[in-house]
Amino acid sequence: SYELTQPPSVSVSPGQTARITCSGDALPKQYAYWYQQKPGQAPVLVIYKDSERPSGIPERFSGSSSGTTVTLTISGVQAEDEADYYCQSADSSGTSVVFGGGTKLTVL
Amino acid sequence: EVQLVESGGGLVQPGGSLRLSCAASGFTFSSYWMSWVRQAPGKGLEWVANIKQDGSEKYYVDSVKGRFTISRDNAKNSLYLQMNSLRAEDTAVYYCASPGSSRGYWGQGTLVTVSS
Repeated sequence: SYELTQPPSVSVSPGQTARITCSGDALPKQYAYWYQQKPGQAPVLVIYKDSERPSGIPERFSGSSSGTTVTLTISGVQAEDEADYYCQSADSSGTSVVFGGGTKLTVL
Repeated sequence: EVQLVESGGGLVQPGGSLRLSCAASGFTFSSYWMSWVRQAPGKGLEWVANIKQDGSEKYYVDSVKGRFTISRDNAKNSLYLQMNSLRAEDTAVYYCASPGSSRGYWGQGTLVTVSS
């Protein structure tokens, strides 16, 4: 079955830039979405269609795509950004939804 | 205000059944593909099933095929998941959601525990 691959963890100091990658063979064909999840809470959409930011999401969150890899970038990381981040896309047929394994962002 | 409110979770024995419901409000429910997504304790998100706007197409993760059935009632703005032959590995928080949309609606989840 189709998989999206993320690093298990990323650590950055406050004010630095965090980059979280997500790799998958179908990503050149299918949009990627990024979710932030804090403990005990439901996921929150932070990026849609590779690079679009929903209203209410801070400008420090951005997304990009290159070939089979998409990247979530958080510029000027703040303590409140510490959370798990999941990429999500679809298989090549577009019918099945798939999530990456998640990346725990730690703000040192 | 957009709301997705799940219900129907609880403790069930292995081999048992549960029916989850999700009541939607604050958006045009009938315009969205909808999904059930689950999260086992301490684990990541796992997509379970999705259904097209008019209910004509349904897809499932391999591990639940033949056991779970997704359905919707657009007149009632509701999404359902019938879960049969439940196993311990189905234990998770189940979310009603619209992944893959620009809105990214999610409910708060309902806990399903499969244990004897």
